[in-house]
Amino acid sequence: GAVVSQHPSRVICKSGTSVKIECRSLDFQATTMFWYRQFPKQSLMLMATSNEGSKATYEQGVEKDKFLINHASLTLSTLTVTSAHPEDSSFYICSASYLARNYEQYFGPGTRLTVT
Amino acid sequence: SQKIEQNSEALNIQEGKTATLTCNYTNYSPAYLQWYRQDPGRGPVFLLLIRENEKEKRKERLKVTFDTTLKQSLFHITASQPADSATYLCALLSHNAGNNRKLIWGLGTSLAVNP
Repeated sequence: GAVVSQHPSRVICKSGTSVKIECRSLDFQATTMFWYRQFPKQSLMLMATSNEGSKATYEQGVEKDKFLINHASLTLSTLTVTSAHPEDSSFYICSASYLARNYEQYFGPGTRLTVT
Repeated sequence: SQKIEQNSEALNIQEGKTATLTCNYTNYSPAYLQWYRQDPGRGPVFLLLIRENEKEKRKERLKVTFDTTLKQSLFHITASQPADSATYLCALLSHNAGNNRKLIWGLGTSLAVNP
């Protein structure tokens, strides 16, 4: 149980374009979803926390207009990287938690974004 | 600011031995601490959670201790196997600006179990 999927697993895009990453909880209702970014040999950096139906809470230093997060349902959250630049190239991972076990986070497999 | 430190050097051990990984934290008093496993190119997988009022927690071959005086957690894998080779992450509970729970992560320790 508690499976989270992400799509796509890898994406290459040109500088200036936008990319959307989907995160789905497959067998549970995710009351909260988290978006992380991880650079090589670095720790997971939380970008934002989103609760279904409400606006995401962004961490300090994360531009909300550049990283658009939508959590429209209890099973789907999307992250859109707008006007991507090479420095946005990274590993993006989502996680989800649900009310009964809200101290555990269930992670998706991640999305490798490369901006050329 | 809150800081988490894990052994930065990779740990290499022989199959069958016990692996011990360390997580130290400063400027912080977390209500609980978690350990995750991460394989290359994959998202982390939750392993264990230990609360501040618990000294030790076990799950199969895994054991976690939590010393709030030393501000340290130890993560043990007994009878280690090559399949245990991965990066192990320590994470502590905090809160963001909206008072939502969030986790602060260590860099992780890479473990290699040699057959």
